[in-house]
Amino acid sequence: DTAVSQTPKYLVTQMGNDKSIKCEQNLGHDTMYWYKQDSKKFLKIMFSYNNKELIINETVPNRFSPKSPDKAHLNLHINSLELGDSAVYFCASSDSGQAGTGELFFGEGSRLTVL
Amino acid sequence: AQSVTQPDIHITVSEGASLELRCNYSYGATPYLFWYVQSPGQGLQLLLKYFSGDTLVQGIKGFEAEFKRSQSSFNLRKPSVHWSDAAEYFCAVGAPSYDKVIFGPGTSLSVIP
Repeated sequence: DTAVSQTPKYLVTQMGNDKSIKCEQNLGHDTMYWYKQDSKKFLKIMFSYNNKELIINETVPNRFSPKSPDKAHLNLHINSLELGDSAVYFCASSDSGQAGTGELFFGEGSRLTVL
Repeated sequence: AQSVTQPDIHITVSEGASLELRCNYSYGATPYLFWYVQSPGQGLQLLLKYFSGDTLVQGIKGFEAEFKRSQSSFNLRKPSVHWSDAAEYFCAVGAPSYDKVIFGPGTSLSVIP
């Protein structure tokens, strides 16, 4: 039983297209996140949601729009893809009322390649 | 503001040798400190964490880390490395007053058979 699952694992697409990545967690956690890992492995938070409410939006271009239909799901939609969007996107969750202190559980990542 | 540095971008050790990965943080009070491991093609997994109490913490897979407030460090150690330990290691810092955990740039570990 995968705790945090993301789909798809790989996306290859052309510049200008729109794509979505889905994430689901079965851990019963209240908080979910999207992280972006660049080609140098640097990991940067993009968004966090607590019980479907947006908590963090780290100056991400508005082409990126997260959606949380319920606390177990956090999807990421990206419009008008650019070359610089190529990265691995990780979904994570935590069971912490204080997001700065909790253990994060990560999905396996979705590798996005924009051509 | 919180920040984390990992001075070593890449480390190579021989199998069976000891390992120490360095981590330095910047935070005014006592931080919450974490080490995560990322195996190739995988997500990150928590190895260990420090909140308070004993400054030497034990984690999974035979790893331990020591919190040294005077040096603002939280170095990860393992007495004998196995080939399966080859991975990317991330130190991270958080705090109760913060809404997120900040990750360091990572250290890539290679293990020579």
